[in-house]
Amino acid sequence: NAGVTQTPKFRILKIGQSMTLQCTQDMNHNYMYWYRQDPGMGLKLIYYSVGAGITDKGEVPNGYNVSRSTTEDFPLRLELAAPSQTSVYFCASSPSGGNTIYFGEGSWLTVV
Amino acid sequence: DQQVKQNSPSLSVQEGRISILNCDYTNSMFDYFLWYKKYPAEGPTFLISISSIKDKNEDGRFTVFLNKSAKHLSLHIVPSQPGDSAVYFCAASARNFNKFYFGSGTKLNVKP
Repeated sequence: NAGVTQTPKFRILKIGQSMTLQCTQDMNHNYMYWYRQDPGMGLKLIYYSVGAGITDKGEVPNGYNVSRSTTEDFPLRLELAAPSQTSVYFCASSPSGGNTIYFGEGSWLTVV
Repeated sequence: DQQVKQNSPSLSVQEGRISILNCDYTNSMFDYFLWYKKYPAEGPTFLISISSIKDKNEDGRFTVFLNKSAKHLSLHIVPSQPGDSAVYFCAASARNFNKFYFGSGTKLNVKP
């Protein structure tokens, strides 16, 4: 019962480096999301997708890119990492919009 | 502009007593609400939901109440147990929306 799987779990990046956070779900959900959680704060939506080939911006998209080539995968790309991107990143999925969403375990990213 | 607010960052209750976590929202289009529980270093896990056609939903020790006129919902945990100590997030969406909006969370501490 894998659900939503994120990799890596932990990563330290230097300022200006780039990286991709991987996310895979095995529940055949159409909707997928990327959230970030800063210390003491709630979850902010970065990007979301309503199906393969369709993505849209959330509340805090700047500095990130996504793609959705398959139903299962929704990678998040960080270009030119900045200290402000130090956060915990959660990938999530749901069967449809306005339905219960299921989260991965999180990816802890530190930019130094 | 925060559409979902949890105004109490923390709450401490004694084991066996009732815990009441509150959440307010501003968007009258919201018609579906979720509560999530999050332990440190883990992803949020779904706890309970409520649709706007109801004003109460119960699942074991957890009950969610919805007051649409006040745009307010609350989560009651009775009786509270030390294992309930976690951060609780409320989230809101509408059936024709593609995304959920999350509150900033309330950290619950249940003292033995």
